[in-house]
Amino acid sequence: QITLKESGPTLVKPTQTLTLTCTFSGFSLSTSGVSVGWIRQPPGKALEWLALIYWNDDKRYSPSLKSRLTITKDTSKNQVALTMTNVDPVDTATYYCARSERDCNIVACYGDRWDYWGQGTLVTVSS
Amino acid sequence: SYELTQPPSVSVSPGQTARITCSGHTLSKQYSYWYRQRPGQAPVLLIYKDRERPSGIPERISGSTSGTTVTLTISGVRAEDEADYYCQSADIDGPYVIFGGGTKLTVL
Repeated sequence: QITLKESGPTLVKPTQTLTLTCTFSGFSLSTSGVSVGWIRQPPGKALEWLALIYWNDDKRYSPSLKSRLTITKDTSKNQVALTMTNVDPVDTATYYCARSERDCNIVACYGDRWDYWGQGTLVTVSS
Repeated sequence: SYELTQPPSVSVSPGQTARITCSGHTLSKQYSYWYRQRPGQAPVLLIYKDRERPSGIPERISGSTSGTTVTLTISGVRAEDEADYYCQSADIDGPYVIFGGGTKLTVL
């Protein structure tokens, strides 16, 4: 059974650094094609992808947030962490971590399916 | 920046067929995915690789593609289908993960 769970602060002050941790079980982040990523959702708004880290330590970031994000993994602990610097009230959102698998054919890869999600954690940015 | 465009809302009566579209210029080159999100819950994967269903997703939910538009079709709509639906794909320059703006399905 695959599970993921987000943890971290529920309230952060503007300009501070937010660190969230995703603890997962039921799969290994050493398996080829697997990644863990972060997706957020401001209240009443759409999903927004933030970052992902692949089994081979390749990292991808949303172009609009790249300068503020860092994603890391600890394979031995089955954890992935996301750090966001200089937070602002607009960063108030539910933050989800999720597992993905690359969808590839013999030629190339054409997408990532997010097949398992955590329950999400609401982070409020306010002074 | 690359975007996926969905209609904000779709309404159907119970038993009818709902079709939700998603448009984006790389959809002809990258796979599309669909998720359902009920209020207060995490998204659930409904369709992957344009038209494949994960185990546990009923056959009345299907995906199709035509050029740069993909469509999620829900046949025999039920009250439980009322939710927000998101398409997802990739920007080939990244690859970056892109979500559409979401479509709220209302069952009348």
